[in-house]
Amino acid sequence: GAVVSQHPSWVICKSGTSVKIECRSLDFQATTMFWYRQFPKQSLMLMATSNEGSKATYEQGVEKDKFLINHASLTLSTLTVTSAHPEDSSFYICSARLPGQGARRPQHFGDGTRLSIL
Amino acid sequence: RKEVEQDPGPFNVPEGATVAFNCTYSNSASQSFFWYRQDCRKEPKLLMSVYSSGNEDGRFTAQLNRASQYISLLIRDSKLSDSATYLCVVTQYSGNTGKLIFGQGTTLQVKP
Repeated sequence: GAVVSQHPSWVICKSGTSVKIECRSLDFQATTMFWYRQFPKQSLMLMATSNEGSKATYEQGVEKDKFLINHASLTLSTLTVTSAHPEDSSFYICSARLPGQGARRPQHFGDGTRLSIL
Repeated sequence: RKEVEQDPGPFNVPEGATVAFNCTYSNSASQSFFWYRQDCRKEPKLLMSVYSSGNEDGRFTAQLNRASQYISLLIRDSKLSDSATYLCVVTQYSGNTGKLIFGQGTTLQVKP
C-alpha cells in the first residue's frame, strides 16, 4: 500500500493565488522529504530537500521565496507555491524514504499534485 | 550534457516481444541505481534496484556496468500492461542526503 500521501491531487486556480500542497508519511516518521516538479514530457527535477525542524535545502535555480517549504512535524511537509503564475503549472510530487533506510535506498512517492494556473 | 540520458522512444512492440532500454549517467560518483515506472499522469513507482551483479525480477532484468556508466533494463514476454514510461534513476550524495537524478524516461507501448 501507499506509504506517502499527497494532497490535493489536482488544483486549478487563478494567477496570483498561493497554493499549499501537503505531503504526509503514513505510519512512519520521515525526517527528510523531497519535493520534485515535472513538466510535460520532461524528467522529474528535484526542487528541494525538506528537513524536519530546519530550513529546506533548495536546488540551484529554485526560488526559496517562491516555493515555501515547511516541515514542522515528522509526518508532514508542505510546499506553498506563492503568487502562482501560469508558468508554475506543473506536476509536483513529494517523496520520502522508509525509516532506517540509508540514502542508497529508493524513495517512495506521493500521488502527485497537478497544478494548473489560469 | 544531461546527468542521466535515455532514449525517449517511443518503443512500439507487439505483445510477447523482448525489449531492452539503455541509460547512461555522467557522474562516476553516483552510488545507487534504480528503474522506476511512471504511468501517464501518475507518480513514479519503483520497478527494481540495479546492481553490478545484475538483478532479475520475473520478466524484468536490470544490469549495471559501472566502468561504462551504463544501465540497462530488459523486459521479456511484454504484456499490454507494461505500457508506461520507464525512468532511469541514479542517486548522488549531497552531504548525508542522497538525491535522485532522473532520466527523461523511455516510453514503451505494447500493442496486441
